[in-house]
Amino acid sequence: RKEVEQDPGPFNVPEGATVAFNCTYSNSASQSFFWYRQDCRKEPKLLMSVYSSGNEDGRFTAQLNRASQYISLLIRDSKLSDSATYLCVVNLNDYKLSFGAGTTVTVRA
Amino acid sequence: DADVTQTPRNRITKTGKRIMLECSQTKGHDRMYWYRQDPGLGLRLIYYSFDVKDINKGEISDGYSVSRQAQAKFSLSLESAIPNQTALYFCATSDPGQRPYEQYFGPGTRLTVT
Repeated sequence: RKEVEQDPGPFNVPEGATVAFNCTYSNSASQSFFWYRQDCRKEPKLLMSVYSSGNEDGRFTAQLNRASQYISLLIRDSKLSDSATYLCVVNLNDYKLSFGAGTTVTVRA
Repeated sequence: DADVTQTPRNRITKTGKRIMLECSQTKGHDRMYWYRQDPGLGLRLIYYSFDVKDINKGEISDGYSVSRQAQAKFSLSLESAIPNQTALYFCATSDPGQRPYEQYFGPGTRLTVT
């Protein structure tokens, strides 16, 4: 079983729409959780950390459900520039990050 | 200038050849990593280094070796390249003293083994 699993999508949404997707993780000892963004075949970049209480960063909202071992990302008022692959990332210790394969979002005009 | 650079950016090589991928960083971070990315799979850790004298195998180190020449330089070698090593390779750095879990990635090296 993969450590981090994501729906690969793609999620095709019109500008202004809301899109949400989840990922699940297998190791209940996971300590920290993140969403990274990766534009087409470029390097991943940290989008936001995910806290137990849920957190927002502008149009992006991340939530963590430890009991069910899933993380979610919601994007409100989608922009064309939000088109990317979103990587769910789980931290098991102070150096090892486990990456999901990514969820592709395409925002159309 | 980019904080993490990788050379070459693209490389095509033949089966059996030895190839080296290089990574340099100006972030001053002690920790450096090598990953590979394949379609449909998440990034997988090949090797990581906490400092010049500390090098460790990741989850898929077979067929690869590394060298940490200096704090700023971390090279990945494929001793005898094979086609299933065709992938996108990323170098990354992190600083546990700042944002400990954020890794900064280089632009990647696209390697094709024919």
